Amino acid sequence: DSGVTQTPKHLITATGQRVTLRCSPRSGDLSVYWYQQSLDQGLQFLIQYYNGEERAKGNILERFSAQQFPDLHSELNLSSLELGDSALYFCASSTGGGLVLDEQFFGPGTRLTVL
Amino acid sequence: AQSVTQLGSHVSVSEGALVLLRCNYSSSVPPYLFWYVQYPNQGLQLLLKYTTGATLVKGINGFEAEFKKSETSFHLTKPSAHMSDAAEYFCAVSDTGANNLFFGTGTRLTVIP
Repeated sequence: DSGVTQTPKHLITATGQRVTLRCSPRSGDLSVYWYQQSLDQGLQFLIQYYNGEERAKGNILERFSAQQFPDLHSELNLSSLELGDSALYFCASSTGGGLVLDEQFFGPGTRLTVL
Repeated sequence: AQSVTQLGSHVSVSEGALVLLRCNYSSSVPPYLFWYVQYPNQGLQLLLKYTTGATLVKGINGFEAEFKKSETSFHLTKPSAHMSDAAEYFCAVSDTGANNLFFGTGTRLTVIP
């Protein structure tokens, strides 16, 4: 158990809908990272927040957005969902703000299915 | 742009045999390189990383990787495979500003008893 929690575990929705994925980092960690793992796109880094501020941005679509709240939990919002958005979405956290230099601890993921 | 190529989507080895998982990267400048492992139904776990300094990097669970700039490679090895090593392994490279990570397509390792 990494100490990172993600809810929900599974989510099934329809095309065009909007969903919110939630992540709680390990106690004391200030950074939260979001990743997408799909059969088509493989594993992709989406975005990083550090202490409430966006720190690094990867291959995140404009239909997707994220934020980190004062209690350091993070939410990933996915809107206008398409079939291709079906994937496993991972959250990770780390103590510091370095995408590269800080070890990230991964949550178990949220599996999103878009029908 | 940075990219990573992992040769072999599936690798099978016998228990006790050498594990060799291949990773080649493309980058115009010396990159940061990573190997992650993903066990079934779990998130990723960092095995090891190369940032600067010694080109032979030792990681957890007996794995190591060597950064070879001339070959643009960062292959992962372990002298003796254990059944518990069965998992999917991802090589990754960061961009020059360390603001993005690019992952390979993964290699699924099967260990045969």
